[in-house]
Amino acid sequence: GQNIDQPTEMTATEGAIVQINCTYQTSGFNGLFWYQQHAGEAPTFLSYNVLDGLEEKGRFSSFLSRSKGYSYLLLKELQMKDSASYLCAVRDLGDDKIIFGKGTRLHILP
Amino acid sequence: NAGVMQNPRHLVRRRGQEARLRCSPMKGHSHVYWYRQLPEEGLKFMVYLQKENIIDESGMPKERFSAEFPKEGPSILRIQQVVRGDSAAYFCASSVSGGTYEQYFGPGTRLTVT
Repeated sequence: GQNIDQPTEMTATEGAIVQINCTYQTSGFNGLFWYQQHAGEAPTFLSYNVLDGLEEKGRFSSFLSRSKGYSYLLLKELQMKDSASYLCAVRDLGDDKIIFGKGTRLHILP
Repeated sequence: NAGVMQNPRHLVRRRGQEARLRCSPMKGHSHVYWYRQLPEEGLKFMVYLQKENIIDESGMPKERFSAEFPKEGPSILRIQQVVRGDSAAYFCASSVSGGTYEQYFGPGTRLTVT
């Protein structure tokens, strides 16, 4: 089976840094995704990791450890517009569908 | 607008009616995925289609739900005899091929069953 865990909610302050963790258990692994979803809107792609290590893209970075079944999304210099849900998702080996976690709702305080 | 199109954006149906949700993938994309998102829940995979083929429907309820992606025209997700529990946001995503990593999501259709 497949299981993806991430915190339900987090709160951070504008200008600060926040790390959103995701752990997963899958029978196979073929990549991990992070999506951002604002309330009432479609998810938008943030990052994709298939190899261990850190991928940096502007204020957002994503890390993957396949041996630990662990990933995190790091958001720097937080802005109010970063208030959204962040979805961790995993693609199983040999499978083209993506399994999503329930998402982490991030609240940014001024 | 070259993005994924979904219509209608909002759909209200009474219990027992049929709901038809449409999805036009991005230009050049031949792979379509449907997801359902219940309030306060994550996205749940429903079905993956290519033109004229259902590739994976492991997330589709066994009854009342069907999907198609004809050679011409949009992909259709059909829900027959809707019940209140079908109220949710239904998102469609497309990709250029099944092996690519990025899926582009449409704006979703919010179905309300009264």
